[in-house]
Amino acid sequence: DAGVIQSPRHEVTEMGQEVTLRCKPISGHNSLFWYRQTMMRGLELLIYFNNNVPIDDSGMPEDRFSAKMPNASFSTLKIQPSEPRDSAVYFCASSLSWGAREETQYFGPGTRLLVL
Amino acid sequence: KNQVEQSPQSLIILEGKNCTLQCNYTVSPFSNLRWYKQDTGRGPVSLTIMTFSENTKSNGRYTATLDADTKQSSLHITASQLSDSASYICVVSRPDQTGANNLFFGTGTRLTVIP
Repeated sequence: DAGVIQSPRHEVTEMGQEVTLRCKPISGHNSLFWYRQTMMRGLELLIYFNNNVPIDDSGMPEDRFSAKMPNASFSTLKIQPSEPRDSAVYFCASSLSWGAREETQYFGPGTRLLVL
Repeated sequence: KNQVEQSPQSLIILEGKNCTLQCNYTVSPFSNLRWYKQDTGRGPVSLTIMTFSENTKSNGRYTATLDADTKQSSLHITASQLSDSASYICVVSRPDQTGANNLFFGTGTRLTVIP
């Protein structure tokens, strides 16, 4: 298996532009997670899906952020409009299921976003 | 205040030496505790997962301990190698009403192993 796939790997954009990050989870995994990582705040869980349904989006910082999972093999995280403080590395992770106490999450390589 | 505190923030050790990283948490109730290794420019990789009833778990040269009474965990690395240079992140889970887990993240310990 190729693991979790994210694209693009790097994104540089100007403030105010729309940014779309993409994720393909590991085949057969039912849960998908979006994280943001910065030097100041470390890893933060933004939202997670179970069986394509958003379960908890309490980590989404503002209405400018939205995430979708139209099917089991694809998810997007969109920022519109983007701001310089959104600059971070965004990770997608997937797991077989969520709720099981010993479930392991597998992370993608991340998308490094820079908003100028 | 962060509910998961890691120490030290950074650590430099000589190749071949042992080291111990600490994770203290206040998360309650407790579901499980994970240690992740994150190489520079990559996503985190799970090293160990421990539930309430487990007090030690090993993964090769990595040994994690858990004291659920004092809410402390440690990650011990034996005979360090250059490839151990990475950030190590402690993540504590708390069960929520949906049956899933709330996750609380430490800010990590940056380990550098030098030859």
